[in-house]
Amino acid sequence: NAGVTQTPKFRVLKTGQSMTLLCAQDMNHEYMYWYRQDPGMGLRLIHYSVGEGTTAKGEVPDGYNVSRLKKQNFLLGLESAAPSQTSVYFCASSLLAGGIGQFFGPGTRLTVL
Amino acid sequence: GQQVMQIPQYQHVQEGEDFTTYCNSSTTLSNIQWYKQRPGGHPVFLIQLVKSGEVKKQKRLTFQFGEAKKNSSLHITATQTTDVGTYFCAGPGNQGGKLIFGQGTELSVKP
Repeated sequence: NAGVTQTPKFRVLKTGQSMTLLCAQDMNHEYMYWYRQDPGMGLRLIHYSVGEGTTAKGEVPDGYNVSRLKKQNFLLGLESAAPSQTSVYFCASSLLAGGIGQFFGPGTRLTVL
Repeated sequence: GQQVMQIPQYQHVQEGEDFTTYCNSSTTLSNIQWYKQRPGGHPVFLIQLVKSGEVKKQKRLTFQFGEAKKNSSLHITATQTTDVGTYFCAGPGNQGGKLIFGQGTELSVKP
């Protein structure tokens, strides 16, 4: 089992460019999450999904969109990147409700110039 | 809004010393989770506490959930260099499916 994988691992964007981060899990988990991690801020939830075809907003959803067309994939989109979106992005999945026992991916380091 | 606070933000210890990080929630929690993130790595789930006053141990790590279910602590006895990393607590958000993470405590261990 690969667990949770994220693509790409690193990316540099210019302000205004768009991109999609892909998260895939092979554990048949219902729940998937996107977080961003900034120094001193811990992990902040961007969007999450409680099942295929569903999405919901987290703490910091502005500037991001998500889709969960297939159970195993959770996509995070930036339509018009801004320097404030420079961060490390983690995807996670969990079998149980309430985010219990989340498995995290290795992260994507994004820099927006 | 709901907040989960952790202190201290940083802790530097000599190998063999003990370490404790504290987590406080602005609301009563149904459960609390702890995660560890090694430098350059991703968070890894350690444990979940559910019951009021619950204490769980994992080798040198002791986790406690407060009687009022609003605070928790992680204590490491006789730290080792392998304990280096950031420890996060997390509690369920007001809406189902969400977790609210504390800011984390970064532990460094001097050999």
